[in-house]
Amino acid sequence: SYVLTQPPSVSVAPGQTARITCGGNNIGSKSVHWYQQKPGQAPVLVVYDDSDRPSGIPERFSGSNSGNTATLTISRVEAGDEADYYCQVWDSSSDLFVVFGGGTKLTVL
Amino acid sequence: QLQLQESGPGLVKPSETLSLTCTVSGGSISSSSYYWGWIRQPPGKGLEWIGSIYYSGSTYYNPSLKSRVTISVDTSKNQFSLKLSSVTAADTAVYYCARQILTRYGDAYYFDYWGQGTLVTVSS
Repeated sequence: SYVLTQPPSVSVAPGQTARITCGGNNIGSKSVHWYQQKPGQAPVLVVYDDSDRPSGIPERFSGSNSGNTATLTISRVEAGDEADYYCQVWDSSSDLFVVFGGGTKLTVL
Repeated sequence: QLQLQESGPGLVKPSETLSLTCTVSGGSISSSSYYWGWIRQPPGKGLEWIGSIYYSGSTYYNPSLKSRVTISVDTSKNQFSLKLSSVTAADTAVYYCARQILTRYGDAYYFDYWGQGTLVTVSS
C-alpha cells in the first residue's frame, strides 16, 4: 500500500516560516490534504487539493505538491500554530484507499 | 453548519464488540456528494482510517481491519454506525467520525468535517 513519510518534528521561532514535508512515491500525481490537530481536539482541515484553503483558514497556510514531496508552509508562525499536522491522500490503486502520514509535531520556540 | 457527534460506550471488554454511532446534524446524510467515514487515533499515535460508507450502504474498509469491521447507515435517523468485533487493548483509541468529500478533480476524497471524537478503552 501507499506510504506517506513525514518528519516527526519541526521547530520554528515565532514570525518565521515553517515547512512540513510529506513524502510519497510520485505524490505529485495525487491530491494532498493537510490537517491540523491541537492537543485534545479533533483534526481540522487546513489545506485541501494540494493548495486550497477552507474558509476560515488564514492565508498564512499554503501548500504545494510536486515530484515525490508535498509541503505545507506556514508563514509568520504564531504560538497558536503549535500542533500536530497530518498529510493525507487517496490511493485508489490499493485497497487502502485513505492514507495518512505519520504526523509532524510543530513546535513554536 | 454541519455537525457530527459520536456516541457509544467508553469502555469495552476484550473479545467483545465495540459499537459507536455518529449523528449528523445541519445537513443530510443522504446527499449524493459525500461519503461518511470512521477514523481512529490510539493514545499518542497517528490517525488510522477504519472505513467509509455511502448513503446507499456501499462501504469500503481498511484491509487490516476488514475482517472485524461493519459500518452501516440509517438515513431515517441521519446516522451511521461502526461495529468492531473481537476487540483487544490495541483497539483502545479516540474514534472520530467525519464527512468525506470529493476533490475538485473528482478522483479522490478528503475529510472536511469531523466529530469531536470519543475515547474507547478496551479493558476488563
